[in-house]
Parts: sequence; structure tokens; C-alpha cells
Amino acid sequence: SQTIHQWPATLVQPVGSPLSLECTVEGTSNPNLYWYRQAAGRGLQLLFYSVGIGQISSEVPQNLSASRPQDRQFILSSKKLLLSDSGFYLCAWSVRVRNTEAFFGQGTRLTVV
Amino acid sequence: ILNVEQSPQSLHVQEGDSTNFTCSFPSSNFYALHWYRWETAKSPEALFVMTLNGDEKKKGRISATLNTKEGYSYLYIKGSQPEDSATYLCAFRARGTTSGTYKYIFGTGTRLKVLA
Repeated sequence: SQTIHQWPATLVQPVGSPLSLECTVEGTSNPNLYWYRQAAGRGLQLLFYSVGIGQISSEVPQNLSASRPQDRQFILSSKKLLLSDSGFYLCAWSVRVRNTEAFFGQGTRLTVV
Repeated sequence: ILNVEQSPQSLHVQEGDSTNFTCSFPSSNFYALHWYRWETAKSPEALFVMTLNGDEKKKGRISATLNTKEGYSYLYIKGSQPEDSATYLCAFRARGTTSGTYKYIFGTGTRLKVLA
């Protein structure tokens, strides 16, 4: 069966510090991968998605970047965090069939102080 | 920019009440509409995937309908229970920028609280 791992679960970082959140998927090959963020009082905003190694699509201009160094690994990064980067970050994966659902990780609560 | 809207934003109902929420999405270039339930401290969990106009799906006391021509879906909960308390999200599956790829655009969700 497929599983998705996301870490860390919580993170408190000072403004201006770097960020690296990691997500890995097991039990499937060549998944589509996604990073979402839920800011306070808002829904899930798509940040990045990837259909293959090194292929990243960015949905909104921001202070974050994403990378996919391996087929089942998706990394969300920032060189210098802003207060506005605080939020709940979710990684998700789906198979490459257009009408299947996405499966989510447990999420990372990021607080920038 | 693709806009997916949900209403109401939040809802309090008494145990045993039936309730429904709305998801509005673009009516053009439709591929699929997904409903998720998101409980606090857990991952969003898929409820339904709906693809055809007029689709009706049911899982226990929860059901959903789909109208792709006018761009809306309803989620119904019959006889609400405290364990139904969660945020209910809908997601519109849209074409990605790369040919053959897709992405999920989520609404802001409806937060349901069922009071015992």
C-alpha cells in the first residue's frame, strides 16, 4: 500500500532563517506531487506541483521554492523566511490518472517568529 | 485564475439535524470534482470523486450531487452526529500547465460543528 511521510510535524523558525520541509511517498512510482498551504482562516492554496523529477510548476509568486530530486521525494524550501510564511503545509500525491483523488500527508505547522 | 468557492464558511447544527453545503467551480474545462473531509490534527480524507453531470454519490449518511453545466456541487449530511464535525473541502481538478498534467484547486472549506 502507498504511504506518504511528511516532516517535521511542527516547526518554529525565526524570520530570515532558511526552511526545508521534506515529503516522501512509498509504494508507488512516478506520482504527481503537490505542496499546499493553509494560512490562518483560509482554505488550501496550491503552491507547487510536480509531474516528474526536476519538473516543478509554481502556482503563486512567493518566497518559497520546491525541488524534486528523486521520483518520490518533494522538498519545500526557503532561503529567508518571512512572517507571512507561517501556516500549515501539506504535501500530497496522486497517480497519473486524471479522475483519482489526492492523498495527503500529516502536515507541518510552521510558525515564523 | 480558477476560483472554487464554498458556502457557508462555517456551520453549527444540532445532533440529528440534516445539513448541506455548496461548492461552486468553473463550468468550463471540467474534469472532476472532489470532496474531502478534514478533521483537526488529521490529513484531509477523500469522500467522493465526481465526474459526470448529474452524478450522485453516497457514503453512509453523506451524499453529494454534481451539476457541471452550472458549476456547483452539493454535499448533504443526513442526521448529523458529533463525529461529523470537520472541515469539508471541495477540489476542482484542473488541467496543469504541462500537457497531460492535472492539479487540484481547493475551496476555502466549510467548517461544520455538530453539537450534542
